[in-house]
Amino acid sequence: DAGVTQSPTHLIKTRGQQVTLRCSPKSGHDTVSWYQQALGQGPQFIFQYYEEEERQRGNFPDRFSGHQFPNYSSELNVNALLLGDSALYLCASRTTGNWGYTFGSGTRLTVV
Amino acid sequence: QKEVEQDPGPLSVPEGAIVSLNCTYSNSAFQYFMWYRQYSRKGPELLMYTYSSGNKEDGRFTAQVDKSSKYISLFIRDSQPSDSATYLCAMSETGANNLFFGTGTRLTVIP
Repeated sequence: DAGVTQSPTHLIKTRGQQVTLRCSPKSGHDTVSWYQQALGQGPQFIFQYYEEEERQRGNFPDRFSGHQFPNYSSELNVNALLLGDSALYLCASRTTGNWGYTFGSGTRLTVV
Repeated sequence: QKEVEQDPGPLSVPEGAIVSLNCTYSNSAFQYFMWYRQYSRKGPELLMYTYSSGNKEDGRFTAQVDKSSKYISLFIRDSQPSDSATYLCAMSETGANNLFFGTGTRLTVIP
């Protein structure tokens, strides 16, 4: 069982650019959440997807958008990158109704 | 005020010591309480979760929740160097889809 797989592992982008991060959930999981973890901080909830719909959103601007595909995989898109968007982006999956979230190892995004 | 407060440490203990990690919170609607362990360059790994108040034990780990004080704890007995990691508390309301995390406490167990 591969667990939650995220790609790429590292990424460097220039301020103002756009970025797409990808996540494949753990086998059997149908719900995907995205979190942003700044250096020295705990993860902050961005949004959650279930049945290809955004189910809940955290306090993040519209520059952050996402998508879930029929195979439950998900993408996180960030437009007009700011220096402050530099962080570890974590994907977490679970089976709906189960509280056991499994996290991926994350994508380290650096905006220069 | 943050919804979840956690002392970031760092905390260094000798091998075999008992470790106590704590979080406080302000939202009385939180019902689910979790502890995650995060190794460097890895994602968080779920260690323990409890619902509402009470204690839960799993091997060397014990989680305690005191909802009257809005205070949760994780105890690690007979700590090992492999326990060296950042420990994150997380909590959520019933029916909610998001977790609120503490800042994390960095623990080092010295052989």
